[in-house]
Amino acid sequence: AQRVTQPEKLLSVFKGAPVELKCNYSYSGSPELFWYVQYSRQRLQLLLRHISRESIKGFTADLNKGETSFHLKKPFAQEEDSAMYYCALRGGSEKLVFGKGTKLTVNP
Amino acid sequence: NAGVMQNPRHLVRRRGQEARLRCSPMKGHSHVYWYRQLPEEGLKFMVYLQKENIIDESGMPKERFSAEFPKEGPSILRIQQVVRGDSAAYFCASSLDRRETQYFGPGTRLLVL
Repeated sequence: AQRVTQPEKLLSVFKGAPVELKCNYSYSGSPELFWYVQYSRQRLQLLLRHISRESIKGFTADLNKGETSFHLKKPFAQEEDSAMYYCALRGGSEKLVFGKGTKLTVNP
Repeated sequence: NAGVMQNPRHLVRRRGQEARLRCSPMKGHSHVYWYRQLPEEGLKFMVYLQKENIIDESGMPKERFSAEFPKEGPSILRIQQVVRGDSAAYFCASSLDRRETQYFGPGTRLLVL
């Protein structure tokens, strides 16, 4: 079975502080992992995918197969990072399996 | 490129009525996916379609729900005889090819009274 767990429903940090949004997954094969973000009143959009190994808006995420994790990190949070963040997995088929999401609030 | 379009954005139905949700994929995209998000939940896959074909409907409820993606026109998610438990946000996504990035629409919020 494919499952994505985001243990934190809410996460609040101060501007300039480091932020880490946790994501753990369960899948027996080699997954593709994604982070999607939804800013207030906007549609869901892709933030990054593990195969790209890129940094978007200062965010990075490393796939750790040993710990089955794909945590999202940013060294210095900005107020505009406040949003809902969803971790997603794609296994052997085309469908995405999403976690329940983490609402990040960056306080001034 | 206008992005994935969904309409209506909000839909109110009484129990027993039919709901039709439309999705126009991004230009050039022939792969469409429907997801449902219940309150406080993540998005759950429902169905994956290519033009005129249903590829994967493993997430579709067995009764009352159907989807199509005709050769011409938008993809339609149809819910017959709606019940209160169908109240949710329904998202459509499209991709250029299978396993390419899925781009999401703004969603349709269905409320069943």
